[in-house]
Amino acid sequence: SQQGEEDPQALSIQEGENATMNCSYKTSINNLQWYRQNSGRGLVHLILIRSNEREKHSGRLRVTLDTSKKSSSLLITASRAADTASYFCATVHYTGANSKLTFGKGITLSVRP
Amino acid sequence: EAEVAQSPRYKITEKSQAVAFWCDPISGHATLYWYRQILGQGPELLVQFQDESVVDDSQLPKDRFSAERLKGVDSTLKIQPAELGDSAMYLCASSLILAGLGEQFFGPGTRLTVL
Repeated sequence: SQQGEEDPQALSIQEGENATMNCSYKTSINNLQWYRQNSGRGLVHLILIRSNEREKHSGRLRVTLDTSKKSSSLLITASRAADTASYFCATVHYTGANSKLTFGKGITLSVRP
Repeated sequence: EAEVAQSPRYKITEKSQAVAFWCDPISGHATLYWYRQILGQGPELLVQFQDESVVDDSQLPKDRFSAERLKGVDSTLKIQPAELGDSAMYLCASSLILAGLGEQFFGPGTRLTVL
């Protein structure tokens, strides 16, 4: 089962523009992570935001988390052609002694040169 | 920079054959994961190891899939017999600490095609 649902499913922008991707989830979480996947490759971790955090920055990335709305957004500023990839949000919920990541279906971002 | 290694990168097999995938996590990472990713979907956890012990295999189809991590280092995922619906990308990941507390490092994946 996949908890996170990303929106939009696909996004096409011009190089230099900002890209905003959204993720909604259904149950309570302990943290939320964003990953990037280039075509046919493994996933690369971008950023982790904890449930008690509202905003986090990493380079050109800005992530927000609104636990009352059960949603998160990933903003990529000044996009580059190299940002073309699929982006996934993954929610984490601790259960007893274990926890696991539950991924959404992903957003396909195309950045046109 | 240390990476998660997986082999083979691509595997084509016929229905009812056996296939096996290998993963070598980043040195020192106690937690290892196998995911299956169907085209157009996000990865779905099949099995999670802490050292050599399975801590979550609730989504592993145990009638045909098996996974082991005998010495708590590298791991093998096997499918026997393979079915058409098993065609997917199989991803291995590892992490230094318990799943979800920090980032997971993914290998390049094995693309399986079942004919």
